[in-house]
Amino acid sequence: GESVGLHLPTLSVQEGDNSIINCAYSNSASDYFIWYKQESGKGPQFIIDIRSNMDKRQGQRVTVLLNKTVKHLSLQIAATQPGDSAVYFCAETIFGNEKLTFGTGTRLTIIP
Amino acid sequence: GAVVSQHPSWVICKSGTSVKIECRSLDFQATTMFWYRQFPKQSLMLMATSNEGSKATYEQGVEKDKFLINHASLTLSTLTVTSAHPEDSSFYICSASGAAGETYEQYFGPGTRLTVT
Repeated sequence: GESVGLHLPTLSVQEGDNSIINCAYSNSASDYFIWYKQESGKGPQFIIDIRSNMDKRQGQRVTVLLNKTVKHLSLQIAATQPGDSAVYFCAETIFGNEKLTFGTGTRLTIIP
Repeated sequence: GAVVSQHPSWVICKSGTSVKIECRSLDFQATTMFWYRQFPKQSLMLMATSNEGSKATYEQGVEKDKFLINHASLTLSTLTVTSAHPEDSSFYICSASGAAGETYEQYFGPGTRLTVT
């Protein structure tokens, strides 16, 4: 997986545009993946999840894509809004194991 | 539903003192609670997993004698940072999970900002 560093990757997107946040996961045995949103000074907030038997899952304005071949996960946010500005983390686990391994995170900034 | 609270939300303590952080599941019974630590601009790192009524399982590199975890009931877990030092200053986040059929989700608390002076 990615090493934890002092600088989060950042992504700036114009309000109303779509954004794509990427994540490389580390454990090929992981079969359950979750995206979280974390606003400054707050705990992570669940956005969407996906099991490994799926390649794509859609929610309200969000879509998660899973590519198990290259161990890659992405989060697409449509029609971004200022409230979408936050740090986004992917997390991986083996379903039923309960222990989550978080990715490095990406800071998304929506430009008004 | 599925609300997790933490208390206090922030605390400042002097080096060498101990600090207790509480994590409560307000509207469900949490069979398992997790404690994470997050340094600025970094990801969440799992410190330990606790199950109600049993000893916590600590991740590699986490000192169990320094970070005391108690999960005395299905709605409360506590983390005590003993003999705190400035390097323990961090954002501590708990999460809780409970059986809900095929749905698995960890519900995160709002975090506790610890500053050791």
